[in-house]
Amino acid sequence: LAKTTQPISMDSYEGQEVNITCSHNNIATNDYITWYQQFPSQGPRFIIQGYKTKVTNEVASLFIPADRKSSTLSLPRVSLSDTAVYYCLVGTFSNDYKLSFGAGTTVTVRA
Amino acid sequence: DAGVTQSPTHLIKTRGQQVTLRCSPKSGHDTVSWYQQALGQGPQFIFQYYEEEERQRGNFPDRFSGHQFPNYSSELNVNALLLGDSALYLCASRLRENNSPLHFGNGTRLTVT
Repeated sequence: LAKTTQPISMDSYEGQEVNITCSHNNIATNDYITWYQQFPSQGPRFIIQGYKTKVTNEVASLFIPADRKSSTLSLPRVSLSDTAVYYCLVGTFSNDYKLSFGAGTTVTVRA
Repeated sequence: DAGVTQSPTHLIKTRGQQVTLRCSPKSGHDTVSWYQQALGQGPQFIFQYYEEEERQRGNFPDRFSGHQFPNYSSELNVNALLLGDSALYLCASRLRENNSPLHFGNGTRLTVT
């Protein structure tokens, strides 16, 4: 079971780039890295998923070094609406019970 | 394209009672998972249903049970409610193919008094 470690909280300002690093030293060969965003009283929303190198979509980028022992979610030019909890998950969705959301990282964006 | 829908959105029950929560998966999805999220914590996996059978189970007592119907919708039942069962219950669905990410509903807020 891949254990993940991410910061409890991060503060930022509108227009800045936010980078959240997740450590997962015992990631398995078949594991993927997936990030979710959650607003209060809503379900988690899928942001991005990757296996190695770099993945980019319309909302974020995910950087994964060659050893895959960590990953960094990058949110470009954040706005107030990006204030949320961000979860890093490591594993495969074919084995849901092995996926742990942890406590996540609370990102607060200020004006 | 409707996403994952859950009902009811809020529910208040008394200790010892039983509750049933319902979930309709995203169109095209065949696998449903249930999660419990206590206040200030991340979601915790309860169980997963596929082809109308429980396939995987997290560390939850037998008071938590479920069902999946032929149309892939699902129910979560909790018997003998405890105060500690108060939480946001999330349903998530996905397509069975490997690493298809989970899509979550907005949950049912259960309060046990």
